[in-house]
Amino acid sequence: DQQVKQNSPSLSVQEGRISILNCDYTNSMFDYFLWYKKYPAEGPTFLISISSIKDKNEDGRFTVFLNKSAKHLSLHIVPSQPGDSAVYFCAVRKQGAQKLVFGQGTRLTINP
Amino acid sequence: GAGVSQSPSNKVTEKGKDVELRCDPISGHTALYWYRQSLGQGLEFLIYFQGNSAPDKSGLPSDRFSAERTGGSVSTLTIQRTQQEDSAVYLCASSLEQMISGNTIYFGEGSWLTVV
Repeated sequence: DQQVKQNSPSLSVQEGRISILNCDYTNSMFDYFLWYKKYPAEGPTFLISISSIKDKNEDGRFTVFLNKSAKHLSLHIVPSQPGDSAVYFCAVRKQGAQKLVFGQGTRLTINP
Repeated sequence: GAGVSQSPSNKVTEKGKDVELRCDPISGHTALYWYRQSLGQGLEFLIYFQGNSAPDKSGLPSDRFSAERTGGSVSTLTIQRTQQEDSAVYLCASSLEQMISGNTIYFGEGSWLTVV
């Protein structure tokens, strides 16, 4: 029973363009949403987060959008840079819980 | 230390042997997590420790898996009688006690386990 789904295992984007990564979740009790970035042979690193009381959070080139009615989360990266090539995981937390539930990840490749 | 430290970074073991993986969390972080990532899969929650509370073991896949955390700091994940399907990256993470907005989980680089 996959509570968090990233339906695109991979995404290829040209440098300078916008990268859009998507994530769907099933449980309306989730109240905190995060994106992590992972390079090969390294642990995931925190990128950006959003709480359920907001629908948008922006940090430099990264913006996370939350659509609670659709139970959909997206990460926009603009402009995309070669260093953005990595695997991106969305993660969610249920109200009152401490652990995060992760999606399967999307491998983003930025082409020069 | 500055970050979450895990050892060994790589481990190759024969099927049926026991393995121990170690995690040293960020100083001051009271919560400690173990996740694993199998090939082509997402991060799968295994176990969570919080201070002196009973650990949340709900993610452990079988009774061959166990973990302990001594003195509220270092944790050891033990896999007994390893099987080939145990091959994965085992990731440890720590966080501050209160997971308020802005606090996040910080991951180590992982221990790559290969069972042959």
